[in-house]
Amino acid sequence: GAVVSQHPSWVICKSGTSVKIECRSLDFQATTMFWYRQFPKQSLMLMATSNEGSKATYEQGVEKDKFLINHASLTLSTLTVTSAHPEDSSFYICSARPGKMNTEAFFGQGTRLTVV
Amino acid sequence: AQSVAQPEDQVNVAEGNPLTVKCTYSVSGNPYLFWYVQYPNRGLQFLLKYITGDNLVKGSYGFEAEFNKSQTSFHLKKPSALVSDSALYFCASNNQGGKLIFGQGTELSVKP
Repeated sequence: GAVVSQHPSWVICKSGTSVKIECRSLDFQATTMFWYRQFPKQSLMLMATSNEGSKATYEQGVEKDKFLINHASLTLSTLTVTSAHPEDSSFYICSARPGKMNTEAFFGQGTRLTVV
Repeated sequence: AQSVAQPEDQVNVAEGNPLTVKCTYSVSGNPYLFWYVQYPNRGLQFLLKYITGDNLVKGSYGFEAEFNKSQTSFHLKKPSALVSDSALYFCASNNQGGKLIFGQGTELSVKP
């Protein structure tokens, strides 16, 4: 299947700093990527849809100024957690779909963010 | 509103026994249904999908799922469970906007 690579796998940062997470589609172009947040043993919560060359679409309740998304190329989307706080600690996962809606999405390996 | 439900938080199975992880859906139109598996601290891995055609879908690692339109279900099955199948399983459906709608997840535990 297609490969989506996410980096870093884990990161620890201090409160007030910003952290950037990268999501790359390695063998296909993705005009759309999705960013999720997951709490322990819970389902994935869609945060936003990243659109290449345009603004991201955020889900209700997600602060767009806190979670900055940039999709500058067809193979790269980034999520920046700005002014991170301990409550932002979570597992963040990106995904992309190489084809149409009836094709499966592929997921990055996830990023464990810990804010101390 | 479109939704996917997994009624069991946890399923416990003995190794070698058949396993079933349940999923029901509520979507308008023809559903696109998927099963994913997640191992600890990892992303999701695609197992199988139903788009159209045969109701019994075969996927990776010996898993299969049966689409039942009358019961709006898409249960995941495997004839003989392995300890290595222990993981978190998610059922999902595409909504009209192309977003994946996930069930709550079911933790499968296979004991030797």
